[in-house]
Amino acid sequence: EPEVTQTPSHQVTQMGQEVILRCVPISNHLYFYWYRQILGQKVEFLVSFYNNEISEKSEIFDDQFSVERPDGSNFTLKIRSTKLEDSAMYFCASSGDRGLGGYTFGSGTRLTVV
Amino acid sequence: GDSVTQMEGPVTLSEEAFLTINCTYTATGYPSLFWYVQYPGEGLQLLLKATKADDKGSNKGFEATYRKETTSFHLEKGSVQVSDSAVYFCALSDQGGGADGLTFGKGTHLIIQP
Repeated sequence: EPEVTQTPSHQVTQMGQEVILRCVPISNHLYFYWYRQILGQKVEFLVSFYNNEISEKSEIFDDQFSVERPDGSNFTLKIRSTKLEDSAMYFCASSGDRGLGGYTFGSGTRLTVV
Repeated sequence: GDSVTQMEGPVTLSEEAFLTINCTYTATGYPSLFWYVQYPGEGLQLLLKATKADDKGSNKGFEATYRKETTSFHLEKGSVQVSDSAVYFCALSDQGGGADGLTFGKGTHLIIQP
């Protein structure tokens, strides 16, 4: 069964550093998403991406965040200057039909900011 | 805005017990409803979905019926197994209301004891 792959599985970074979280969506999917889950809290929508541009972003997705699809397979989330409160599990997801049939999620990257 | 409310956990049951995890929602449009499951150390997996009122989603013995009149999508299983131990998330997609992505509940941690 096709999978969404995320790397790394765990990243530890110092406050103020830039991090890039990487995702390889399912190859024939067109819609890509990032979500985050702070420990013990709900999964929150960050951003959706379609046709090489952001289609929607939440209030959480401020100027410190950016997304990119640098080639035909990768989809990245960059946090420019990490804060302690950015510590969370970050999930990438993709969909072939804008989510009508559901989304396929990756296993997540646990980001710890120290 | 849209929201999903699900019962707090953890929910602890004995094997072969009947399971109900309650989920109610508010949405501006006419949402699609989903249950996702997260097994330890893994990502979010789509368990089942329903896209219109009175639809019943089912998978792996789990069922949930889209009830528009009560704005609910309760998850049920007649006889749970130890392998069902996981965190269960109720979610909605409200593209008709103009929102992209999924709105999640906080998740319910289910523990099945042998």
